[in-house]
Amino acid sequence: NAGVTQTPKFRVLKTGQSMTLLCAQDMNHEYMYWYRQDPGMGLRLIHYSVGEGTTAKGEVPDGYNVSRLKKQNFLLGLESAAPSQTSVYFCASSYLPLGSEAFFGQGTRLTVV
Amino acid sequence: GNSVTQMEGPVTLSEEAFLTINCTYTATGYPSLFWYVQYPGEGLQLLLKATKADDKGSNKGFEATYRKETTSFHLEKGSVQVSDSAVYFCALSVRIKAAGNKLTFGGGTRVLVKP
Repeated sequence: NAGVTQTPKFRVLKTGQSMTLLCAQDMNHEYMYWYRQDPGMGLRLIHYSVGEGTTAKGEVPDGYNVSRLKKQNFLLGLESAAPSQTSVYFCASSYLPLGSEAFFGQGTRLTVV
Repeated sequence: GNSVTQMEGPVTLSEEAFLTINCTYTATGYPSLFWYVQYPGEGLQLLLKATKADDKGSNKGFEATYRKETTSFHLEKGSVQVSDSAVYFCALSVRIKAAGNKLTFGGGTRVLVKP
């Protein structure tokens, strides 16, 4: 089972460049999430989606945009990268019921110089 | 709002030692509680969970009990192994209509087990 797959795994950007991170899940989950992980701060929610065609802001949405055109894919975009966006990004997906676990991808390590 | 506080690491132990990682939370509503583990270079994996007060989650020798009166969900293992070296995250989710099961994470505790 593939589960949740993120591409790319590593990327270095120059300040001001743009890029898109792709997340794909094959578990038919309704909910998908993008988190960023920074040292000592745990994971913080950037954006999430409760179903195909829907997106919503999380805790730290500024500087990011997302799209969920297909149920299995959730894209995270950086329009103009900044050094503060240097982080490890994780995508996750889950079923609907309360208490359902989230399944995480392997992460994307992004460095903005 | 919701928040999770867990002890800062790193925690360094010898093999076969007892491990405790404290976790406390604040939440509106009735949260589900989780422990996730992150091994080096990997994503997060669910270790255990509890969905209501007094539930005990257990897996791979780890245990945690949902204590509503103390708003805590401490993780314990009686005898750690080198392979338990990882970062452990306490988390909660409170399902909100049309908002999904968003997780709120603690800062993570790095555990290093030495032979």
